[in-house]
Order: sequence, then structure tokens, then C-alpha cells
Amino acid sequence: SQLAEENSWALSVHEGESVTVNCSYKTSITALQWYRQKSGKGPAQLILIRSNEREKRNGRLRATLDTSSQSSSLSITATRCEDTAVYFCATAGTGGYKVVFGSGTRLLVSP
Amino acid sequence: ETAVFQTPNYHVTQVGNEVSFNCKQTLGHDTMYWYKQDSKKLLKIMFSYNNKQLIVNETVPRRFSPQSSDKAHLNLRIKSVEPEDSAVYLCASSYKFSAETLYFGSGTRLTVL
Repeated sequence: SQLAEENSWALSVHEGESVTVNCSYKTSITALQWYRQKSGKGPAQLILIRSNEREKRNGRLRATLDTSSQSSSLSITATRCEDTAVYFCATAGTGGYKVVFGSGTRLLVSP
Repeated sequence: ETAVFQTPNYHVTQVGNEVSFNCKQTLGHDTMYWYKQDSKKLLKIMFSYNNKQLIVNETVPRRFSPQSSDKAHLNLRIKSVEPEDSAVYLCASSYKFSAETLYFGSGTRLTVL
């Protein structure tokens, strides 16, 4: 079973709207990672949020982490068409030697 | 800026053939990985290498074999491909074994007819 899992398979918004992708995980972690994968490309990390952090921002992106409920969220404000992608949360397994990805949330931003 | 390079971008082959994929990273990282991504975008780790040594070997068929000549290169060979091997194979690297940030290549799309 997946160590981390996004809660929505797909989301659709219009440009300018805000959207939130949620993730739940099953193991204790030192950090949770958010990645974005655009069509034809490999995933690229957006935000790394450590277990002692509650919130982290990167431009229009904001990630939160709640270790008590083992959940995280990634919010995107003022969405653009180029935000259309698959968004993954990911955690490192025991010993930190491998990163396990959730099944991804497909985000479509339309004009 | 691309720093993990994979070749080829696409490969179409017949069942039973042997294929090889190449990966090179120019980031100076010690750890490299192979992931398989299926048609539903599910990413599964296959192997990870640290300084040319195999560290993680997930449950993959024995026809898959990784090869590392130095810490900047990690290749993947598949002997006698099967239809279920059709997928995108993604190579990644990280600074060290703790794998806090993975840097991915653009992938090799394999189609097995």
C-alpha cells in the first residue's frame, strides 16, 4: 500500500481561482515532499516541508503539514493554465533510502 | 535546467526483445534511482544506487537489471520484454541517501507490441 496518498484523483478550476490538493500519509516522517509533473516531463519538487514545520510557502504555493492527523495540503492561489499538471505528495520510507509517491492528483486549469 | 539526461525518449519494441535505457546526471549527486510510471501515472521505485552500489531493489521481475559504471550513470536493461513492461521509466538522482529532493529526467517511454 502507498505510504502517502492524495485525496482527490482529479480537480478542475478556472484560471485565477484557488485550489487545494490534500494528502494523507501512514508513517512517521522527517519531511513531506510535493512534486508537480507536467506532460512529457519528470516530476519536479515544489516544496519540501519538514516534520517540525507547519507551513511553507513558495510563491503562489503554500504547503501545510499536520503531523497529528498525518496529513498535508498544497494550495495554489491565482491559478494559471500552466499549473495544469499532476501533483504528487511523497514521503521517504524507513531509513530515508527511498521516496514513495502517492497516486497523484490531476489538476486542470482552464481559461 | 535539465541536469538528469535520459536516452532514448521513446522506444518501441516487440515482445521478447532486449532493451537498454541510459541515464546520466550532471549534479554531482551520489544516489540515483529508477522509477516506473504506468499509464495511470502511478510511480513505483524499482532500484536505487548509492555510489555505484545497489541499495534498494524492489520486487521487480528478474529480467530487469540496473547497471552503474560510476555515480553519474545508471542504466537499465530489460531482457525479453513483456507487454506489461510498457510504461515510462524515470531516472532520478539525489544529493545523498536521505533523498530529501529527487531530480528527475524526462523519462523513456517504452511500448511493447
